[in-house]
Amino acid sequence: DAKTTQPPSMDCAEGRAANLPCNHSTISGNEYVYWYRQIHSQGPQYIIHGLKNNETNEMASLIITEDRKSSTLILPHATLRDTAVYYCIVRGILTGGGNKLTFGTGTQLKVEL
Amino acid sequence: DGGITQSPKYLFRKEGQNVTLSCEQNLNHDAMYWYRQDPGQGLRLIYYSQIVNDFQKGDIAEGYSVSREKKESFPLTVTSAQKNPTAFYLCASSPRGSSYNEQFFGPGTRLTVL
Repeated sequence: DAKTTQPPSMDCAEGRAANLPCNHSTISGNEYVYWYRQIHSQGPQYIIHGLKNNETNEMASLIITEDRKSSTLILPHATLRDTAVYYCIVRGILTGGGNKLTFGTGTQLKVEL
Repeated sequence: DGGITQSPKYLFRKEGQNVTLSCEQNLNHDAMYWYRQDPGQGLRLIYYSQIVNDFQKGDIAEGYSVSREKKESFPLTVTSAQKNPTAFYLCASSPRGSSYNEQFFGPGTRLTVL
């Protein structure tokens, strides 16, 4: 499974865009990039995923570089409720099919007034 | 409301006792998963099940056991063989059939072994 590298922590002012980077230089051609977040002591929440095109949904945008070796999750207008640990995951495949999600230590995003 | 429930939220046990953690989903998902999370760490996969009456070991299955007798239920037993059982345990489920499905997580059970 491809490994991901994220900064351990980031700060962002409320109302500003939060840009969370992720390196996945060993990603292979058919591996998807997933982003989840985990608010303290809760279960992780799916945010977005993509293969090579940029993706946008109601929560965030995902920008994947052309060589697919890195990506950036963008929260366009961060709020205090976006304070969480953000995980960048390169999807693997489980024996018998299905997604294998390997969660690293993620980026702790702190949104402040 | 559809979702995943885990009970209880907090669980205390004495060392040497087996304990079973509950996970129920009403999302009609075929696949279910158990993860363990230690403080400041990411999630690690313990067991997963793609279909009823079938399950597979994940990365850290030693000291754990599961069953999948019903589609909506995937209980995890932490046995006395697990050397370091105190952790946050998370259950998840996902649809089967597509390779690109998200996993939906429950609220977790925090197990403390005294």
